[in-house]
Amino acid sequence: EIVLTQSPATLSLSPGERATLSCRASQSVSSYLAWYQQKPGQAPRLLIYDASHRATGIPARFSGSGSGTDFTLTISSLEPEDFAVYYCQQRSNWPRYSFGQGTKLEIK
Amino acid sequence: QVQLVQSGAEVKKPGSSVKVSCKAAGGTFNRYVISWVRQAPGQGLEWMGGTVPKFDITNYAQRFQGRVTITTDESTRTVYMDLSSLRYEDTAVYFCAREGPYGYFEDWGQGTLVTVSS
Repeated sequence: EIVLTQSPATLSLSPGERATLSCRASQSVSSYLAWYQQKPGQAPRLLIYDASHRATGIPARFSGSGSGTDFTLTISSLEPEDFAVYYCQQRSNWPRYSFGQGTKLEIK
Repeated sequence: QVQLVQSGAEVKKPGSSVKVSCKAAGGTFNRYVISWVRQAPGQGLEWMGGTVPKFDITNYAQRFQGRVTITTDESTRTVYMDLSSLRYEDTAVYFCAREGPYGYFEDWGQGTLVTVSS
């Protein structure tokens, strides 16, 4: 099983600041990695797929990068609605999908 | 886009089974993978298994093998997840999610809370 490790567990920032979230895979997942945003009481929302492609309707302040085992989600300038939990997910070895444990982005 | 509507909350006793439904409205239903993902209280997301209705292909995460069954009724565009031998630690919100053409979870159900309690 491919284990995804996200860091940091919690990130405290202010609106307008830049956020950098990390996801590391226990073995290469090529570019088969996505990022999701989840707010309390809601289902996750797809933000980024294939490591660097924004999903439909996702603002340009969200960007993804990386390949192999190291990936980054960057939010260039935080808006109030961006404070949430973010998960990475790999699909490189169907049917053995896995998620990271999440990074909570909180208001400082 | 496909709208996924799940059945309501359940309270079950340890050792029993639960069956959660996920009905698809609009869009292409049976060509893409529909998965079940669960989230225990305050915890992260966990993939349980998925099915491709059109090709009758179903796969399960190893840790749920033998305890979870995913079935489809194509006539009603509904996917079911049956989890047996329930334990207290199965208390969670269960989501169904449909993959889009890029292979990631684009559409999600609203979630179904399953509580295991004696």
